Amino acid sequence: LAKTTQPISMDSYEGQEVNITCSHNNIATNDYITWYQQFPSQGPRFIIQGYKTKVTNEVASLFIPADRKSSTLSLPRVSLSDTAVYYCLVGDGNDYKLSFGAGTTVTVRA
Amino acid sequence: EADIYQTPRYLVIGTGKKITLECSQTMGHDKMYWYQQDPGMELHLIHYSYGVNSTEKGDLSSESTVSRIRTEHFPLTLESARPSHTSQYLCASTQSGQRDEQYFGPGTRLTVT
Repeated sequence: LAKTTQPISMDSYEGQEVNITCSHNNIATNDYITWYQQFPSQGPRFIIQGYKTKVTNEVASLFIPADRKSSTLSLPRVSLSDTAVYYCLVGDGNDYKLSFGAGTTVTVRA
Repeated sequence: EADIYQTPRYLVIGTGKKITLECSQTMGHDKMYWYQQDPGMELHLIHYSYGVNSTEKGDLSSESTVSRIRTEHFPLTLESARPSHTSQYLCASTQSGQRDEQYFGPGTRLTVT
């Protein structure tokens, strides 16, 4: 199971773009990169997934370089409601265990 | 919107009581999971199931047990609750082939006094 490393915390202000980089040096060929968001007292929520290059949806963008050893989650123009913990996970969908790790606590201030 | 439900949402119970936390999903997912999470801490997998009559323990040792008699239902039972069981319990499900896109329930916050 590929291990991931991401910053413990990040601070931002409303309207700014937040970029969270996740390192996964031993990612396997069949692995996908998945990001979840968790608000206090709630379960995590899937926000985006990708394999290579760039993926964009209504919530975020995910940038994956050619070597796939890292990925960057980009949250455009954050608001106070984007304050949450963001988890980066790597796997091929066949592992029983998803290691959520400590995630990155993003705090958005007014 | 995911259809996965957990009851109760909050439970305060005395030491030694037997409790069952309910989890149901209406999406027909074959894989289901139970995680335990203390406030501000990591999620830890305690049980998982790949289908009916399939249950396995996760990485975090837990005194709880689970059953999977029906696809949609994955209850977790504590035979004798202790204060050390105080935590948030999160249930999740996914369908094989969905590549780690798990849907989580709202959680049950358990307090054992």
